[in-house]
Amino acid sequence: GNSVTQMEGPVTLSEEAFLTINCTYTATGYPSLFWYVQYPGEGLQLLLKATKADDKGSNKGFEATYRKETTSFHLEKGSVQVSDSAVYFCALSLTGGFKTIFGAGTRLFVKA
Amino acid sequence: DAMVIQNPRYQVTQFGKPVTLSCSQTLNHNVMYWYQQKSSQAPKLLFHYYDKDFNNEADTPDNFQSRRPNTSFCFLDIRSPGLGDAAMYLCATSTAGNLDTEAFFGQGTRLTVV
Repeated sequence: GNSVTQMEGPVTLSEEAFLTINCTYTATGYPSLFWYVQYPGEGLQLLLKATKADDKGSNKGFEATYRKETTSFHLEKGSVQVSDSAVYFCALSLTGGFKTIFGAGTRLFVKA
Repeated sequence: DAMVIQNPRYQVTQFGKPVTLSCSQTLNHNVMYWYQQKSSQAPKLLFHYYDKDFNNEADTPDNFQSRRPNTSFCFLDIRSPGLGDAAMYLCATSTAGNLDTEAFFGQGTRLTVV
């Protein structure tokens, strides 16, 4: 079946630290990959996406590269801010956003 | 500009009393979804509408139903809410058959069962 595994949190960092949140996937086809962010009490917002192997998605200083050989889509940011504190979900879909499947989420706390 | 709108943001209902959550969209997407998200967990797909066709996930309890009267609106009906149904309910939309797109989510309705 199709599934997403991401590192457990919470992750606690100081402001300006480097962030990596690991994500690996299992899929029967060639999925699109996404990172969504959820702020407290809010819905999900798309952070970035990649639709084929070796694509790099980027937004607001966050990046992730679609690695087919390692079935991974790790999220990185060079310098986190307090405002980045949220829950981050790695996700996949076999056809664009159709029936998106989510990982368990990783909570990030950034301290000033 | 809000594209997927859920009402209400917060809903309190009594144990066993039917409740309806609503979702509307301005994107004209042909697919609409309902996800259930319990605290500190991943969103779990309950069902989706592909145009007018209803598609239930295999493990969605019968207590959960949905209606889609037109392209823009979709409702989630919980016939007899139990304490275990307290959760955030997320509505989402997407197009189908387009690889370079994603699901768009509303802000969610947080349901409390008392």
